Amino acid sequence: EIVLTQSPDFQSGTPKEKVTITCRASQSIGSSLHWYQQKPDQSPKLLIKFASQSFSGVPSRFSGSGYGTDFTLSINSLEAEDAATYYCHQSSSLPQTFGQGTKVEIK
Amino acid sequence: QVQLQESGPGLVKPSQTLSLTCTVSGGSISGGAYYWSWIRQHPGKGLEWIGYIYDSENTYYSPSLKSRLTISVDTSKNQFSLKLSSVTAADTAVYYCGRYEGGVFDTWGQGTLVTVSS
Repeated sequence: EIVLTQSPDFQSGTPKEKVTITCRASQSIGSSLHWYQQKPDQSPKLLIKFASQSFSGVPSRFSGSGYGTDFTLSINSLEAEDAATYYCHQSSSLPQTFGQGTKVEIK
Repeated sequence: QVQLQESGPGLVKPSQTLSLTCTVSGGSISGGAYYWSWIRQHPGKGLEWIGYIYDSENTYYSPSLKSRLTISVDTSKNQFSLKLSSVTAADTAVYYCGRYEGGVFDTWGQGTLVTVSS
């Protein structure tokens, strides 16, 4: 099973600040890494697929990068509505796995 | 636009079988390249993939749940279902149904909390 480790577990930022979350895979997964946003009491929503491809309708301030074992999700110019927990997910091999989540708070 | 909605009992007794249904609206559950999926989230915790079904009969299950798990499709009702047997308190979670396609879960239901308790 591929383990995904996110860092940090918690991040706090001010509006307009840039925030970066990392996800490290326990073995190489190519670009099969995806990012989701989950707001309180809501289901997760897909943000970025295959490391860097923005999903339809996602604001351009969200971007992703990486390949192999190290990946990042960046939120440029943080907004109040970005307060959420962010999860990475790998689809390279079964079982599908998720990172433990990074909670982003807006100061 | 496809929408998914979970339904089923919110309370299940230990050792019994947890049964949930996901109703697909706005599109057909048949055909396509979709894997109809179940994912759960323990209270205050992260996401755990349970399994999915493809083409109505090809199932893929999490190894940790495989011995207790059945996922099936009812095309006549445009629904798919989850059955998890011999549940314990560790199975208490929010259960999401989802659509998996091209490597990602692109559509999710709103989730339903299932509590295992006597």
